[in-house]
Formats: sequence, C-alpha cells, structure tokens
Amino acid sequence: QKEVEQNSGPLSVPEGAIASLNCTYSDRGSQSFFWYRQYSGKSPELIMFIYSNGDKEDGRFTAQLNKASQYVSLLIRDSQPSDSATYLCAVNMSWGKLQFGAGTQVVVTP
Amino acid sequence: NAGVTQTPKFQVLKTGQSMTLQCAQDMNHNSMYWYRQDPGMGLRLIYYSASEGTTDKGEVPNGYNVSRLNKREFSLRLESAAPSQTSVYFCASSVERGELEQFFGPGTRLTVL
Repeated sequence: QKEVEQNSGPLSVPEGAIASLNCTYSDRGSQSFFWYRQYSGKSPELIMFIYSNGDKEDGRFTAQLNKASQYVSLLIRDSQPSDSATYLCAVNMSWGKLQFGAGTQVVVTP
Repeated sequence: NAGVTQTPKFQVLKTGQSMTLQCAQDMNHNSMYWYRQDPGMGLRLIYYSASEGTTDKGEVPNGYNVSRLNKREFSLRLESAAPSQTSVYFCASSVERGELEQFFGPGTRLTVL
C-alpha cells in the first residue's frame, strides 16, 4: 500500500464547474496536509495546507480533512482553464517526513 | 529574492559520467531537500539536510551523495550516472524540517544515455 494515494486522472472538468480531488494516506499519526499545484514543466507550488478536521477555504479552493477516514480532499470552485495542472497531495508523516502522492492531472475544458 | 535556484536546467550525461547539481536559497532557511520526479511516481526524497552541517538519507539515496556547503547551498552529486537516474531533480527548502511550506527550485532535467 502506498503511503499517499491519489487518482492519476486526467480529471476533465468543464469551465465554471467544481473539480473534486481526493487523497488518502496510510499513517494515522499524520498531522499536517498540503496541496501543491504543478504546471507542466514547472516546479510545485503550495496552494493550501490544513491541520484540523473539517474544511478550510481560500478563495476558490477548499481543503477538507477527515483524519478518522485518513482522507483529504481539494475542491476547486468555478474552475478556470488556468487551473489545468497536476495537483500533488503531500502528507507530513508522524516521523517527520513529507510524503507526496503521484498527483492528479486536472484538465479544465472551455 | 531569487528564492531557490538550481543549475543546470538541462543536462545530458553518458553512463558512468559524474556531475554535480547545484542548489542555493536566499531565504535563510535551515532545511534543504533533494527530490527526483519520475512519471507516475510523484516526488521522492533523495537526501535532506535539516540544518547546516547535517545530511540524512531519504527514500531513494543509492547512487547519490550530497554536500551542505553552507546554510545557502546544498549540492547533489552523481558519481557514476546510470540510465535509471534519468529524471527531473528538484531542490527545495523550508524554514525548519516539517515546517509549513517547502519552496521548490525550477528543477534540473537530467538524461543519462
């Protein structure tokens, strides 16, 4: 079992719709969770982090965390073509290591 | 602020050649990291340096060595390159290990023939 799992996609989303990305992790002791966005040929950039169960909103992005289910998700509202990228989930494992998922490719279609 | 810089951007090596990838950060961060990214594999940690003067192995250290030259610079060396080391290499830094955000450099695309 991979420590951090994501659907590879591609996730095709019509412009203006909501994109929903999921991530599960294996370490029940993990405390902090991150979403990075990576455009093709570029380096990852942080867009959200979440520590507590529940929702955290930042502009069009909402991160959702459920530690009991070991599940973190990212919602992108009003998706734009500029949101087309690969989204990496990263989990700070209990032993201090940041473990990345393989990423979900999102394609926003006009 | 340049953030995290890496050189070179692209490199082609022949099997058995050696090279050093350079990384520098100007954010006064204590921790620095080297990752490789392969299709479908995500980012895998090669080595990290929690602070100046310390280095530790990550998930995939075989075939690599690192040097934390000073607080700003962290280099990655391939002593005898192999085709399996063809990848995109990213350097990153953070205030402390496990701290909120890791800032990434632009990457080095390495091909080993």
